[in-house]
Amino acid sequence: QVNLQESGPGIVKPSQPLSVTCSVTGYSITTSYYYWNWIRKFPGNKLEWMGYISYDGSIYYNPSLKSRISITRDTSKNQFFLQLNTVTTEDTAVYYCARLNNYWYFDFWGPGTMVTVSS
Amino acid sequence: DIQMTQTPSSMPASLGERVTISCRASQGISNYLNWYQQKPDGTIKPLIYYTSNLQSGVPSRFSGSGSGTDYSLTISSLEPEDFAMYYCQQYDSSPWTFGGGTKLELK
Repeated sequence: QVNLQESGPGIVKPSQPLSVTCSVTGYSITTSYYYWNWIRKFPGNKLEWMGYISYDGSIYYNPSLKSRISITRDTSKNQFFLQLNTVTTEDTAVYYCARLNNYWYFDFWGPGTMVTVSS
Repeated sequence: DIQMTQTPSSMPASLGERVTISCRASQGISNYLNWYQQKPDGTIKPLIYYTSNLQSGVPSRFSGSGSGTDYSLTISSLEPEDFAMYYCQQYDSSPWTFGGGTKLELK
């Protein structure tokens, strides 16, 4: 069974970077042809797809975040990471990691981690 | 970006009732449309992919349909565990975008 688990800082100060880790068990993040994504849910329920890192390490970001976002991975630990720079209060959200399968839907999600941007 | 408009944003309904949630795209999305359910504890799971294909393990009371810009999710007879948030999501073009959500509430 594929399991994803996010871990994050809980609270981040404005202008600082936000970093969240997704630990994956039960499936290798290097297995073809799966994509490992970050999605966030804002207060008020809007969902935003942020970007992915693929099984072969290629990366694709939502253009709205392209200047601030970085997604990386550690294949030895079967983890992937989100870094969002220069955060504001508008980045307060629940951050989810999710797997995109070869039918192009998000088939497994983590439970999410709440990150609040506040001074 | 393709805008996804879901209606209604909230829906009071009764056990056993048949309900339909609508999702309209700002341009044609060629059936590249998925549906997800979010439970009150925050967990999210897929229900329907590519407009009408049922995810493994999802009860057959869920169904999806549509074409062009207009899509819908139907629950034929509401069970207690169906009271949750529902989202549509398009993958016709990047960035992939979600509808604003529909909260299904017990009447």
